[in-house]
This record gives sequence, structure tokens and C-alpha cells, in this order.
Amino acid sequence: DGGITQSPKYLFRKEGQNVTLSCEQNLNHDAMYWYRQDPGQGLRLIYYSQIVNDFQKGDIAEGYSVSREKKESFPLTVTSAQKNPTAFYLCASSYGGGDTQYFGPGTRLTVL
Amino acid sequence: RKEVEQDPGPFNVPEGATVAFNCTYSNSASQSFFWYRQDCRKEPKLLMSVYSSGNEDGRFTAQLNRASQYISLLIRDSKLSDSATYLCVVNMRTGRRALTFGSGTRLQVQP
Repeated sequence: DGGITQSPKYLFRKEGQNVTLSCEQNLNHDAMYWYRQDPGQGLRLIYYSQIVNDFQKGDIAEGYSVSREKKESFPLTVTSAQKNPTAFYLCASSYGGGDTQYFGPGTRLTVL
Repeated sequence: RKEVEQDPGPFNVPEGATVAFNCTYSNSASQSFFWYRQDCRKEPKLLMSVYSSGNEDGRFTAQLNRASQYISLLIRDSKLSDSATYLCVVNMRTGRRALTFGSGTRLQVQP
């Protein structure tokens, strides 16, 4: 089955630790995205990538880093510089920028 | 002003009712429009794209008004299972090649 997977579903970390969230897709999509959603809020774009080995900052990139070494994978690292990392993180992909996006099931990160 | 603006609701309607949501967008050059549905604590899922001529999918009808820069979603014969948050999504066609999401309108259908 084609789709987007994110792991883990729930993640707990201590304050000050870096943590990497996984996102994999087998839809052969060129573009991938990371969003953050806080309770009762909309989606905010963290980073996006239109093609392998290239990515751009979104609206709230500070404290986050990404890599795009393979077409299928777009991992997100939440660094200790992110002041309030507890949130629901969603990964998405699309054929191209501006096209319909398909989302993974998300990772709920809680920093204790 | 937000780039994509929606009434957060909640809209509380009885089963069988017709309900409509509007969404306004700021960039007149926007080209693609979508409605997504998000259930509580789940990922957003595409409900339907919005075409210039308007389009219908079962009980759902989407309309685009470019002159006034808004899109709408009409749900007829509401079901309990329609309870969710509906996200208005726009391809703003700015230098950034990514979609812009509204904050969503929450719908609660009551028995």
C-alpha cells in the first residue's frame, strides 16, 4: 500500500535533548513538508523540500533542522534551541509544490 | 490580516441540517483551492478540491468566488460522522511553493 508513515506515534523527551522525527513516503512524490499543530490551532509550516538535497525554511523554522538525502525520507530534528517543542508534528508530501498534499498520521511530541 | 481566514466556530447543527462554511483568502493570484477534513487528534485528509465552476461530491458542494476571494463548503443532510474540523487550503502562488492552511472551522453535528 502506498502512503506516508511517521514514527513514533508518541514521543517523550527531556528538556534540552535533541529528537528526530521520522517521515517516509512511497508515493514517489517529489515534495515533502513538515508542519506543527498546537491544540486548537492551525497548521504552521516548519520546513519543506521540493527535491532531494534541497529544502527551504517555512514560517517557524527556528529550532528545527531537516535533511533530504533520499526522495522517500524527510526527517525532522527538534533541537534544544526550540523553546516550546511540545506539539503535534505532521509530515506531508505532494507531487509538486502547490499540489494536493497527503499527510502521515503524525507524531505527538511531549517535552517533560 | 491572515492569508487564509476561517470562522473557527463551533457550528452546532442537528442531524439532517444543511450547513455552510466560508473562507477568505488574501492573494488574488491564488490558483488552487481545497477543503480538508481533520478529525480530533488525527491528520488532515483531503475532502475535495475546489474548481472555478464549483463542484459537488455527494452531500458536499464547494464553490469559488474569485471576485470576492472566498471559497465555500456546503454540507447537506448532515450526519453525526461529519463532526470534524474543516480546513480551507489555498495555493497562494507566492515565491514559496507550498499550500497555506486556514485554522479550520469546527463542526459538531448533534443527534
